[in-house]
Amino acid sequence: GNSVTQMEGPVTLSEEAFLTINCTYTATGYPSLFWYVQYPGEGLQLLLKATKADDKGSNKGFEATYRKETTSFHLEKGSVQVSDSAVYFCALRNANTGNQFYFGTGTSLTVIP
Amino acid sequence: DVKVTQSSRYLVKRTGEKVFLECVQDMDHENMFWYRQDPGLGLRLIYFSYDVKMKEKGDIPEGYSVSREKKERFSLILESASTNQTSMYLCASRKGQGIAGELFFGEGSRLTVL
Repeated sequence: GNSVTQMEGPVTLSEEAFLTINCTYTATGYPSLFWYVQYPGEGLQLLLKATKADDKGSNKGFEATYRKETTSFHLEKGSVQVSDSAVYFCALRNANTGNQFYFGTGTSLTVIP
Repeated sequence: DVKVTQSSRYLVKRTGEKVFLECVQDMDHENMFWYRQDPGLGLRLIYFSYDVKMKEKGDIPEGYSVSREKKERFSLILESASTNQTSMYLCASRKGQGIAGELFFGEGSRLTVL
């Protein structure tokens, strides 16, 4: 089947620290992979995506590379800011899942000044 | 700017009441979704619709129904609310069937059932 596993939180970092949030997936074929971000009191919004192996998605200083060999899509940022405090969700969609997206459980990030 | 609007940000209802959660999108998207978000469980799909008057069950449809009479509007109905339906409800929409298309989310409706 299809599933997404992401690292447990919460994660607390100091401003300007390096961020990695791990995400691994289980799927057949070639899913599209997504990172969504949810700021406090808001809905989810797309942060970045990658649609094929070795693609790198990037946005707002965040990056993630689609690694088929390790079935991973880890989120990274070189220098986090207080405004990056949010919950981050990894997700996949596969050709064999119809309209379904599969989400991880979310990782809460708090950045302290 | 594209937008998914949920009618109520916060609702408090009593056990046994009927609850309507409304969602409207202005992007002419074919597909609309209702998710439930709970701590430690992530997002779970309740129902989705790929066209007017069409609906499909998601992973947790029990206790819920939906209505899609117009393309832009997708309603979630709790026929008889129970305390275990206290949760954050997220509506989303998506264009077409392509694998790369993203979901656009509303701001969420936080429902408390007493």
